[in-house]
Amino acid sequence: GAGVSQSPSNKVTEKGKDVELRCDPISGHTALYWYRQSLGQGLEFLIYFQGNSAPDKSGLPSDRFSAERTGGSVSTLTIQRTQQEDSAVYLCASSSLGQFSGNTIYFGEGSWLTVV
Amino acid sequence: DAKTTQPPSMDCAEGRAANLPCNHSTISGNEYVYWYRQIHSQGPQYIIHGLKNNETNEMASLIITEDRKSSTLILPHATLRDTAVYYCIVRESNFGNEKLTFGTGTRLTIIP
Repeated sequence: GAGVSQSPSNKVTEKGKDVELRCDPISGHTALYWYRQSLGQGLEFLIYFQGNSAPDKSGLPSDRFSAERTGGSVSTLTIQRTQQEDSAVYLCASSSLGQFSGNTIYFGEGSWLTVV
Repeated sequence: DAKTTQPPSMDCAEGRAANLPCNHSTISGNEYVYWYRQIHSQGPQYIIHGLKNNETNEMASLIITEDRKSSTLILPHATLRDTAVYYCIVRESNFGNEKLTFGTGTRLTIIP
């Protein structure tokens, strides 16, 4: 597709279960970002990928959160042993990277996660 | 931490120009100013970005002061669909880490 694609668009899970969220960036974009946004709150940076490597994992809130990217394309954000405070919309974005970037970062529509 | 300061909310009459200010007094020479907006909890929508010069596209204009310490986003003829939270962002440009750090933004309400 032309834009950043995320799946699932909505996910309801029971507390303690693991979830995987997928992001398919715009074709050719080497930079990929994960953010989350709790209801009524701002966007919180989670992790940044350049190709398959993650030079910045500083935003991951706990060791229950992990992310990987394979083939320089699709990324998966995994949340283990979900807690109710993990309920949020998880947003993925991608960009064609340039040093001192003036390149645009495009966001997907997000994956809504509800932990019950 | 966000490097920008924006008013929390603004109103604008439909059909008028909406001027959204942003302060970024600690911006460094190679950092860009980006504007995004978010309607409800949809994914943020890119509007415009700039480095030094003023920029214009089909959505908006961006006016950056000569010292680059502040900027203004201008929506020339606001419509009801422009009601959203607008984020002014200074993009960090450390090589290998070019994330966007979002602040709290300005909630713009277009009044019929």
